[in-house]
Amino acid sequence: SQQGEEDPQALSIQEGENATMNCSYKTSINNLQWYRQNSGRGLVHLILIRSNEREKHSGRLRVTLDTSKKSSSLLITASRAADTASYFCATDAAGSSNTGKLIFGQGTTLQVKP
Amino acid sequence: SAVISQKPSRDICQRGTSLTIQCQVDSQVTMMFWYRQQPGQSLTLIATANQGSEATYESGFVIDKFPISRPNLTFSTLTVSNMSPEDSSIYLCSVSGVETQYFGPGTRLLVL
Repeated sequence: SQQGEEDPQALSIQEGENATMNCSYKTSINNLQWYRQNSGRGLVHLILIRSNEREKHSGRLRVTLDTSKKSSSLLITASRAADTASYFCATDAAGSSNTGKLIFGQGTTLQVKP
Repeated sequence: SAVISQKPSRDICQRGTSLTIQCQVDSQVTMMFWYRQQPGQSLTLIATANQGSEATYESGFVIDKFPISRPNLTFSTLTVSNMSPEDSSIYLCSVSGVETQYFGPGTRLLVL
């Protein structure tokens, strides 16, 4: 079963604007990751945030994690048309002994208009 | 990093038939994973392919429907058996890296 929800399900913005996507999960985690998927192809890892971290940056990406609310957000600043893709959060289950198994959120489809 | 290839990249199959999907990694890895992504949906883990032992299936997935082989540390196959239109999905394999997972490009399956 899916770990949680993502919102919005779909987001359409103009190039240059910021895009914010949210993810909620249900169980305790070791870390939370964000992935991008272009047109139903393979997933590309974007960023990982550990359960003891609150914020992390990577280039134009900013991820926050609130373990008390079991939620995370992904902010893409100064968006580009090439950012058009689906974005998924994924969590591992705390206490899973590093099995590598990921549980994915429902995903947000982002469209960036030129 | 790991580079993963999958074959076939896509296929159209008739109901009742079976399709075997191959996953090849360019380095030796302990665990490989198979995911299903139904149209417009997120990814759901089917099973963990273990080298030298039987695959570990997630709730809702059974070996008779999705038999998995893992003959060595760089290769795995997933068979979708006795297919129905509900099996139309993208099937992806992945391997664990350091605080990440690497995914193959996926196999897009359409069952008529």
